[in-house]
Amino acid sequence: SQQGEEDPQALSIQEGENATMNCSYKTSINNLQWYRQNSGRGLVHLILIRSNEREKHSGRLRVTLDTSKKSSSLLITASRAADTASYFCATDGGSWGKLQFGAGTQVVVTP
Amino acid sequence: GAGVSQSPSNKVTEKGKDVELRCDPISGHTALYWYRQRLGQGLEFLIYFQGNSAPDKSGLPSDRFSAERTGESVSTLTIQRTQQEDSAVYLCASSRGALNTEAFFGQGTRLTVV
Repeated sequence: SQQGEEDPQALSIQEGENATMNCSYKTSINNLQWYRQNSGRGLVHLILIRSNEREKHSGRLRVTLDTSKKSSSLLITASRAADTASYFCATDGGSWGKLQFGAGTQVVVTP
Repeated sequence: GAGVSQSPSNKVTEKGKDVELRCDPISGHTALYWYRQRLGQGLEFLIYFQGNSAPDKSGLPSDRFSAERTGESVSTLTIQRTQQEDSAVYLCASSRGALNTEAFFGQGTRLTVV
């Protein structure tokens, strides 16, 4: 079973627009992480937010975490064609070591 | 090494044959993870190692799947008597093994069972 579930499953936007995707999870966590995957191969880590943090920024990325709702959001501002990828959230489910991923959001940014 | 290395990058095998997939983690990373990703799907957790021990093997789909790690380094995932439903990309990741640390992924092995 998957710990995280992303929403929407797919997102299509134009360059310059913002992209927002959400992640819901089921159990307590130590942290929540977001990853990006291009072309169905290796994932690249984007950002980690700890359970006691509410918001974190990294460049054009903004992540929020609401542990009371067991949800997180990833915002990509001023999107570029190079942001076209699948984005996954991952949680440890409170059990360190078992990093589990959701089904992902496929983002397409058109020029 | 500089990154997580997986081999082979592609493998085509006949149904019923055994396959062995290899993962070389980043040097010094104590935690190692294996995932399976079917086409267009998310990552399915298979197993993780802390050092050479596997505290959680619950994700292995069947007894045809096994994994080991030696020297707190290289890991192999073995699939016996492969079936067509085993076709997928198998991804390996490693991390420093401390709480709240990121995982680094290899490029995966694309397994096709014909």
